Amino acid sequence: VQLVESGGGLVQPGGSLRLSCAASGFKFSLYSMNWVRQVPGKGLEWISFITASSRTQYYADSVKGRFTISRDNAKNSLYLEMDRLRDEDTAVYYCARDSTYISVAATFDSWGQGVLVTVSP
Amino acid sequence: EIVLTQSPVTVSVSPGGRVTLSCRASQSVGTHLVWYQQKLGQAPRLLIYDASNRAPYIPGRFSGSGSGTDFTLTISKVEPEDFAVYYCQQYENWPPITFGQGTRVDIK
Repeated sequence: VQLVESGGGLVQPGGSLRLSCAASGFKFSLYSMNWVRQVPGKGLEWISFITASSRTQYYADSVKGRFTISRDNAKNSLYLEMDRLRDEDTAVYYCARDSTYISVAATFDSWGQGVLVTVSP
Repeated sequence: EIVLTQSPVTVSVSPGGRVTLSCRASQSVGTHLVWYQQKLGQAPRLLIYDASNRAPYIPGRFSGSGSGTDFTLTISKVEPEDFAVYYCQQYENWPPITFGQGTRVDIK
């Protein structure tokens, strides 16, 4: 199992960024996926979930209405579109696979290496 | 939202020693609790699921227990590679999926 995030970088407050997560080594289309972030030196914060079929998405209140999770099962890829970025969105963003295929466990058995997003003027 | 409170914030233990970490939930989560280990500069790794089951390839010195609101993670015979931050996470009532704030295990 491999998850590789990309698309991070420096962005100004109010700007936008799109993160990608390339999955390999497993049947991506069978697993729900998540984004989890971590402010450097701080704890973990779950921010978004999407089912295998994309039918259902959930968001943390902190990002609801600004971030959009999506996936392309044909490309084995997960995405996070981030709009109206704020200083407090600065963090390492991880994509994480749900522990159970077909159903949902809401736990994370595989993680990417993370990508840093810095929101600063 | 279920709040998870971990204690202590930091604990020091000697290699070969035993350490117990605590995670308390603001309301019952049954046994829907997991533990992760995160080493510096790395992504978290799943250690324990359903409160007491070791994830694949996790050494037997890691054990979890508890149900309802009180949970513990015990590391017996701590190895040098066990020095890390440990997080609990609940999946009883979500969204949101919530984590504890973490406990750092340091070398004594």
